[in-house]
Amino acid sequence: DVKVTQSSRYLVKRTGEKVFLECVQDMDHENMFWYRQDPGLGLRLIYFSYDVKMKEKGDIPEGYSVSREKKERFSLILESASTNQTSMYLCASSLSSSGFQETQYFGPGTRLLVL
Amino acid sequence: AQKITQTQPGMFVQEKEAVTLDCTYDTSDPSYGLFWYKQPSSGEMIFLIYQGSYDQQNATEGRYSLNFQKARKSANLVISASQLGDSAMYFCAMRDGSGGYQKVTFGTGTKLQVIP
Repeated sequence: DVKVTQSSRYLVKRTGEKVFLECVQDMDHENMFWYRQDPGLGLRLIYFSYDVKMKEKGDIPEGYSVSREKKERFSLILESASTNQTSMYLCASSLSSSGFQETQYFGPGTRLLVL
Repeated sequence: AQKITQTQPGMFVQEKEAVTLDCTYDTSDPSYGLFWYKQPSSGEMIFLIYQGSYDQQNATEGRYSLNFQKARKSANLVISASQLGDSAMYFCAMRDGSGGYQKVTFGTGTKLQVIP
């Protein structure tokens, strides 16, 4: 089974802090994704990566950056956390971009509260 | 324009009955894929079922089936014989050619509650 793990299930940070969310997958997947999930808005793509050191902006990249130094690890960085970044953050991975049927596998999510 | 629309924020169903969760989509690409995911209260998104735009038959996976009506651009999820463990959020999603093959667009979700 594909395993996607996220470093924290719950996180509380203060406004202005730098926040790192880590995601690791163990199935040698090419693609990795960061989403945020808010009630009534569904999942929105922040960033994704299709290879080591490669990244592309999603729909809501403002206020976030990412890092992918190794294939299995994809980090989401909040340079200066703000209260409007309080949300559920979901990491996902998929094998490749070879077709429409490629399934994304998700981690358990990190609930971030910024005070 | 919203690409995936789920008009039911919440639904109730009696245990052992069937339930249909609605999903409509919008794309100008002839090639696309449609997904349904389940999210229990634990938070993890679980893949349920996939339907390709060229698939002739409706997809089925156990108690889940996808009622695909291409002309109407709808991809409703049907859960037969509901169980208490089916209580969760359900998300419809689509991948088409816009934005590259990697991107998937999600709907806003439907919260299903199964009543004993």
